[in-house]
Amino acid sequence: QQPVQSPQAVILREGEDAVINCSSSKALYSVHWYRQKHGEAPVFLMILLKGGEQKGHEKISASFNEKKQQSSLYLTASQLSYSGTYFCGTDNFGNEKLTFGTGTRLTIIP
Amino acid sequence: DGGITQSPKYLFRKEGQNVTLSCEQNLNHDAMYWYRQDPGQGLRLIYYSQIVNDFQKGDIAEGYSVSREKKESFPLTVTSAQKNPTAFYLCASSLPSSTDTQYFGPGTRLTVL
Repeated sequence: QQPVQSPQAVILREGEDAVINCSSSKALYSVHWYRQKHGEAPVFLMILLKGGEQKGHEKISASFNEKKQQSSLYLTASQLSYSGTYFCGTDNFGNEKLTFGTGTRLTIIP
Repeated sequence: DGGITQSPKYLFRKEGQNVTLSCEQNLNHDAMYWYRQDPGQGLRLIYYSQIVNDFQKGDIAEGYSVSREKKESFPLTVTSAQKNPTAFYLCASSLPSSTDTQYFGPGTRLTVL
């Protein structure tokens, strides 16, 4: 089942902070975050693993609550380049197969 | 440079024709995936392969077929049985580890006329 992302869309001014949430109805093994610009491929941002390990982008942070089956992506001091659609992909079994949410569209304005 | 290539970038097809989308990677990844993305939507898994000569159906495999004869290549055929094939198709690959992520190719935009 597809994870639920919130909000669906958000508009921020440059320098403001954003939080994007991803919630699953099933137990999570890992959560993968991507950003996609219009017409381009998704670009990997961060992976959060069961047990607390994180790997990814140095300017972006995220949390993973295994008990609540949720992950949140934190974008601080947003830049114009942060605009795009953010997707979470969830791995429920540790078998590399990801199920993606419907995305959160982030628009940063000067 | 290591990476994933997809060709062509844009593809137009007449209704009723089969078409094959290419995906090649030189990252030495064992696993490869095909996704479909519709406007304003997330990515939906069509097929995936974790090893050469083996592949599994994803969530929306009907009307599609794949082959995995070489580690580097995972072509997707969109058959005439696919009722609504116009979409953005993305190929991805990953290492055979649950602690590594998937890396995507640039995509092929297929339009059925």
